Amino acid sequence: AQSVTQLGSHVSVSEGALVLLRCNYSSSVPPYLFWYVQYPNQGLQLLLKYTTGATLVKGINGFEAEFKKSETSFHLTKPSAHMSDAAEYFCAVSAGDTGRRALTFGSGTRLQVQP
Amino acid sequence: DAGVTQSPTHLIKTRGQHVTLRCSPISGHKSVSWYQQVLGQGPQFIFQYYEKEERGRGNFPDRFSARQFPNYSSELNVNALLLGDSALYLCASSQGLALTYEQYFGPGTRLTVT
Repeated sequence: AQSVTQLGSHVSVSEGALVLLRCNYSSSVPPYLFWYVQYPNQGLQLLLKYTTGATLVKGINGFEAEFKKSETSFHLTKPSAHMSDAAEYFCAVSAGDTGRRALTFGSGTRLQVQP
Repeated sequence: DAGVTQSPTHLIKTRGQHVTLRCSPISGHKSVSWYQQVLGQGPQFIFQYYEKEERGRGNFPDRFSARQFPNYSSELNVNALLLGDSALYLCASSQGLALTYEQYFGPGTRLTVT
């Protein structure tokens, strides 16, 4: 079975500061890993994904994440926060027991950006 | 191009009733997945359909069922509603089964069971 743990349900940063959202996963097979963002009253939007290959993955809106197998982590970072980054962020891993067809999500981290 | 659309946007039902939620995928997408997002939690996988066949099922009771139509749209049905079924129901579409294909999520249907 797969699982995802997101450390910190709420993270607050100042505009222009580094954003770091933490994600640790558990998977019995090589994982596919994803970060999604959810704005209020909207669905999920894919920020970036890791499947195979380069472990540093760049996504939209200046976000990136690094797959670290030894630490079972896939933390999301952005060098400089913008007010528009305030949203809920979800880390997800593919579910191996359904043949990589379903996503198992963490409980989410709400990012606040202070002016 | 239109994104994934879901209807209705909101609905309120009473315990014991039945509900049908609808999803229209992006044109050309043949796979539809359903997720339940309870307030304060991440989405949980319910079903995946591809080419009108069920290809994956999450840990949900038999009160939950779904189907996919020839035009690839999909319905999620929930019988004998419980208070705990109150959630945002998300539909996602993709070109194929594998997760190398990006899943595009709709805005969701907010179900409230009273």
